[in-house]
Amino acid sequence: AQRVTQPEKLLSVFKGAPVELKCNYSYSGSPELFWYVQYSRQRLQLLLRHISRESIKGFTADLNKGETSFHLKKPFAQEEDSAMYYCALSGGSNYKLTFGKGTLLTVNP
Amino acid sequence: NAGVTQTPKFRVLKTGQSMTLLCAQDMNHEYMYWYRQDPGMGLRLIHYSVGEGTTAKGEVPDGYNVSRLKKQNFLLGLESAAPSQTSVYFCASRSLTGGASFSNQPQHFGDGTRLSIL
Repeated sequence: AQRVTQPEKLLSVFKGAPVELKCNYSYSGSPELFWYVQYSRQRLQLLLRHISRESIKGFTADLNKGETSFHLKKPFAQEEDSAMYYCALSGGSNYKLTFGKGTLLTVNP
Repeated sequence: NAGVTQTPKFRVLKTGQSMTLLCAQDMNHEYMYWYRQDPGMGLRLIHYSVGEGTTAKGEVPDGYNVSRLKKQNFLLGLESAAPSQTSVYFCASRSLTGGASFSNQPQHFGDGTRLSIL
């Protein structure tokens, strides 16, 4: 069974502070992991996927298979980063996405 | 390209009424999905389709039916709406192409439909 855990429902930081959104997963095979972002009342947008090893809007995420984690990090948070962030895992023959419950990030001025 | 388009954007129903939510994508994607988003629950998969004429149950299928008569459209039906189905519904689509490891292809989402059942 696939499972994604985001332990923090809410995360509040000040502008310019580092931010880390945690994501842990459970999957017996080789997972494909994603971070999606949803700004207020907007559609979900892909932020990162681990296979690309890219940095988007200053965010990075590294897959740690030993710790089964895919934490999202940014060294200096901006107010426009305030949004709901979802970690998601894809695996299995039907290529469904399993989402975590999300972390609401608030960046205060 | 419009991407993934959902209609309607908002709807209020009375308990027991029926309605259909329409999802249309113009990216020629094979896979399509319906999710519901509830506070504190994240996104939960209702039904999905791996191609025209095929559908399958997701995590929370009860009370919903779907159809995929055309590749570009994926319909979600509520036969007898209940207050527990008050939610925001998102449709998504995904490409099948990408080789042996195409599971890394992202899903593309619509804007969502806000549905309230009174």
